[in-house]
Amino acid sequence: DAKTTQPPSMDCAEGRAANLPCNHSTISGNEYVYWYRQIHSQGPQYIIHGLKNNETNEMASLIITEDRKSSTLILPHATLRDTAVYYCIVRSPLSGAGSYQLTFGKGTKLSVIP
Amino acid sequence: NAGVTQTPKFQVLKTGQSMTLQCAQDMNHEYMSWYRQDPGMGLRLIHYSVGAGITDQGEVPNGYNVSRSTTEDFPLRLLSAAPSQTSVYFCASTPDLLLREQYFGPGTRLTVT
Repeated sequence: DAKTTQPPSMDCAEGRAANLPCNHSTISGNEYVYWYRQIHSQGPQYIIHGLKNNETNEMASLIITEDRKSSTLILPHATLRDTAVYYCIVRSPLSGAGSYQLTFGKGTKLSVIP
Repeated sequence: NAGVTQTPKFQVLKTGQSMTLQCAQDMNHEYMSWYRQDPGMGLRLIHYSVGAGITDQGEVPNGYNVSRSTTEDFPLRLLSAAPSQTSVYFCASTPDLLLREQYFGPGTRLTVT
């Protein structure tokens, strides 16, 4: 199973770009990288996912290295509302045939500072 | 769309009691799952379902039962509550088995005394 490694915490100044790193050195060739965030005690919120190419949506950009062993989530202009725990996840198989799960680790606690 | 809804929001049980946590989604998603989150921890998968009539165990299934009689509903039953089941429970749904985008409910905070 591919595992991910993230720093436990990061700070970012309001209005600046937040760059959240993730290592997934054991990822296999057809596995996606997913990013979710959890604001306070709410349910996790999907942000973005990618396979090989860089991806961008209205919330963030995802940069995946060419060897796919690491990625960076970029919040281009962080606001106070972006303070949350950010999870980098690689899908892992379950016992059921063709079934997978997203294993949420402890993530990175991002604090956006005024 | 209401998305994923969960009831109740809060619940206190005594050891040995049973109860059902409700989860419903109105997005016609095939894949639904239940997670628990303990303080300072990530989410752990309890049970999941890939469609009506099909359920399977996740990482921490002991003490919990599920059923999936309709696409919309995926209740989680605690058979005999224990203090170790004190946690926040999240239900999620996604349109496909690739899990490309999961939608989570607001959670149920359960305390077992």
